[in-house]
Amino acid sequence: NAGVMQNPRHLVRRRGQEARLRCSPMKGHSHVYWYRQLPEEGLKFMVYLQKENIIDESGMPKERFSAEFPKEGPSILRIQQVVRGDSAAYFCASSVGQGSGNTIYFGEGSWLTVV
Amino acid sequence: AQSVTQLGSHVSVSEGALVLLRCNYSSSVPPYLFWYVQYPNQGLQLLLKYTSAATLVKGINGFEAEFKKSETSFHLTKPSAHMSDAAEYFCAVSGSEGRRALTFGSGTRLQVQP
Repeated sequence: NAGVMQNPRHLVRRRGQEARLRCSPMKGHSHVYWYRQLPEEGLKFMVYLQKENIIDESGMPKERFSAEFPKEGPSILRIQQVVRGDSAAYFCASSVGQGSGNTIYFGEGSWLTVV
Repeated sequence: AQSVTQLGSHVSVSEGALVLLRCNYSSSVPPYLFWYVQYPNQGLQLLLKYTSAATLVKGINGFEAEFKKSETSFHLTKPSAHMSDAAEYFCAVSGSEGRRALTFGSGTRLQVQP
């Protein structure tokens, strides 16, 4: 999973603040995925993006959450007005192409704690 | 909808014993199947993947998995467990209904006893 860079690795926010998580995909990858892992649970798909396009956001909560992957720069997962239930590990992943068999590589994760 | 079921949230084996982690999938089309490993406070590392080239897939660290269509299974095995294999293991599927994103199982935590 070397190459997918996420920052910050750890983030603490007070309830009501905003959290911004950044992800730089592996070199040459133009497809980015965001997953959330709650304590003691598996990974839940949130959103799939290509450059400047949201392809599948079926896993995104309807409110407070948004994601973008601009033409230049990293992908951003933004959580507005955070609540304690948003505390989780957020993983970004990337792949080179859009085929379902393409390997998806994961970053080290960003751990969000809401206090 | 595509889905994955991992039987057994916790598996404990002795060092040197066979490791068997179970995964059953549901997919409307021939799936792509993956096993990932996660060490504490780290991201996921790909162990192996099935993309229809061969039913027996060999991965890293001595792991392998066999795709059995008749049983809709993709169980992960390793002949001899090592202490360093202790981790969380996730089975995942993609490809059904045009879903390119991975759908993960709930994970199996492997403990290796000395």
